[in-house]
Amino acid sequence: QVQLQESGPGLVRPSETLSLTCTVSGASITTTTYYWGWIRQPPGKGLEWIGTIYYSGSTYFNPSLKSRISMSVDTSKNHFSLRLDSVTAADTAVYYCASLTFYYYNMDVWGQGTTVAVSS
Amino acid sequence: QSVLTQPPSVSGAPGQRVTISCTGSSSNIGARYDVHWYQQFPGTAPKLLIYRNSNRPSGVPDRFSGSKSGTSASLAITGLQAEDEADYYCQSYDSSLSALFGGGTKLTVL
Repeated sequence: QVQLQESGPGLVRPSETLSLTCTVSGASITTTTYYWGWIRQPPGKGLEWIGTIYYSGSTYFNPSLKSRISMSVDTSKNHFSLRLDSVTAADTAVYYCASLTFYYYNMDVWGQGTTVAVSS
Repeated sequence: QSVLTQPPSVSGAPGQRVTISCTGSSSNIGARYDVHWYQQFPGTAPKLLIYRNSNRPSGVPDRFSGSKSGTSASLAITGLQAEDEADYYCQSYDSSLSALFGGGTKLTVL
């Protein structure tokens, strides 16, 4: 059974870079049956897809965030990571990582989420 | 503004049937890309409820069903129960593998 766990700082200062990691257990991150993704949810608002990465390194980003995002996969640690540059208060949210099935692109397993606040 | 449109709220009495709509366009749902549905309780991560338009993961009660037609999809909940009160999100994607969410619908059980 796949399990995902987000980790990273809970507080980031404005204009700095937000860095999060999602550790995968119960499956190899190099599996061909999953993509790996990040989704966020600002307080009191809906879900927003941030981006998706395949184990090969192929990435797909939300056009509205594309200029500030990078994602990577570390196969030796079985985790994938998100970097969001030049953060503002609008980036304050709960950040979730999820596995996306290769064929249907649905998010079948989610991490518990990690709250990130952007504040000085 | 979400690419997929859902009603902000729906409500129903216990035992009733409610539906939640999800309207997209010819670039996503209408382009025959699958629609998925998630259920989210306050303070918890979303949970996959329906995948590939009408399929239930193991453990999801058959009171939940999904359908898709043209540029829209629907989630139906029959025999409404108090524990169904939650937020519901639809999700699809497009040709560039951008995942698209609806704005979410809050279900209130009266």
